[in-house]
Amino acid sequence: QQPVQSPQAVILREGEDAVINCSSSKALYSVHWYRQKHGEAPVFLMILLKGGEQKGHEKISASFNEKKQQSSLYLTASQLSYSGTYFCGTDSYGGATNKLIFGTGTLLAVQP
Amino acid sequence: NAGVTQTPKFRVLKTGQSMTLLCAQDMNHEYMYWYRQDPGMGLRLIHYSVGEGTTAKGEVPDGYNVSRLKKQNFLLGLESAAPSQTSVYFCASSYSNGPYEQYFGPGTRLTVT
Repeated sequence: QQPVQSPQAVILREGEDAVINCSSSKALYSVHWYRQKHGEAPVFLMILLKGGEQKGHEKISASFNEKKQQSSLYLTASQLSYSGTYFCGTDSYGGATNKLIFGTGTLLAVQP
Repeated sequence: NAGVTQTPKFRVLKTGQSMTLLCAQDMNHEYMYWYRQDPGMGLRLIHYSVGEGTTAKGEVPDGYNVSRLKKQNFLLGLESAAPSQTSVYFCASSYSNGPYEQYFGPGTRLTVT
């Protein structure tokens, strides 16, 4: 089952904040976040693991509630470059295959 | 390093034709994946491989076959294309014993008429 992302779309002005949520019906080992710009490949943002460990390249914050099987991505002081579609990918298999089930995405548009 | 490359970038097929999409990575990754992306559906896993000579089914494997004869290559085949297979196909790879980030190729846009 695909995780559910909310909202489906959000429009911001530069400098505003946004929160994107990802919820799964299955127990999760880790949650991965990617951003995809139009016509391009998805690009990795971060991984959140059970136990609180995080791996990421960018200064983006996120949370992972293992008990609720939910993760949230926090985009603060948004910039034009934040625009794109954000996907969460969930791993319920313990990382052995790194196999992910992706949500349907959240479209973020940041306007000047 | 080229990262993950995919060929071709675009392709138009007629219903019933066959084709093979090639994915290549130069990062010595053990794991490789094929996804399809349709509007409003996100990325859906077709097949994946955890090493040379091994493949496994993902969420939407019907109508597709794969092979991983060499560690750096992962091929996706359509034996008899259908209009429902019109999509953008992405290949990805990652290190093993994760979790690790997946590195995506640029995608192949396939249209089946």
